Amino acid sequence: GNSVTQMEGPVTLSEEAFLTINCTYTATGYPSLFWYVQYPGEGLQLLLKATKADDKGSNKGFEATYRKETTSFHLEKGSVQVSDSAVYFCALRGNFNKFYFGSGTKLNVKP
Amino acid sequence: SQTIHQWPATLVQPVGSPLSLECTVEGTSNPNLYWYRQAAGRGLQLLFYSVGIGQISSEVPQNLSASRPQDRQFILSSKKLLLSDSGFYLCAWRDHLGTGNTEAFFGQGTRLTVV
Repeated sequence: GNSVTQMEGPVTLSEEAFLTINCTYTATGYPSLFWYVQYPGEGLQLLLKATKADDKGSNKGFEATYRKETTSFHLEKGSVQVSDSAVYFCALRGNFNKFYFGSGTKLNVKP
Repeated sequence: SQTIHQWPATLVQPVGSPLSLECTVEGTSNPNLYWYRQAAGRGLQLLFYSVGIGQISSEVPQNLSASRPQDRQFILSSKKLLLSDSGFYLCAWRDHLGTGNTEAFFGQGTRLTVV
């Protein structure tokens, strides 16, 4: 079946620190992969995506590379800001266009 | 451009009362529609999925039901709420198979508290 596993949080970093949030997946075939961000009290917003192996998605300084060999899609940012504090969800689009999400990782960035 | 509307934003309901949450999408036709629930401190659980009017796929047996009376309207219902139904409910849409973007677009969510 389809599933997504991401590192548990919360992750607490100081401003300008390097961020990595790990995400691995299990799926049939080659799913599209996504990172979504959720700010307090809001819905999910797409952060970035990759639709095939070795694709790199990027947006707002965040990056993630679709690694088929390790079934991973780790999220990285070189220098986080306080405004990046949110919950981050890794997701895949599987069979029949159903989306499967990880449990979310809360990021706290301190000034 | 496409937009998704979900209401109400917050709702407090007593145990045993009925529920109706509504979601509508504008600016697209025949979208795939989804209902997700996010329980406190947990991830997103896919509840229902629809590819067209009257076509509903239930992902998890539960106290809830969904209906799609119109192409761009998706309703989440319950006849009798349980305490365990509390959570943050999110509606989402995606371009139907074979067209457009690959991602899902989410509404702002409904915070349901059952007391």
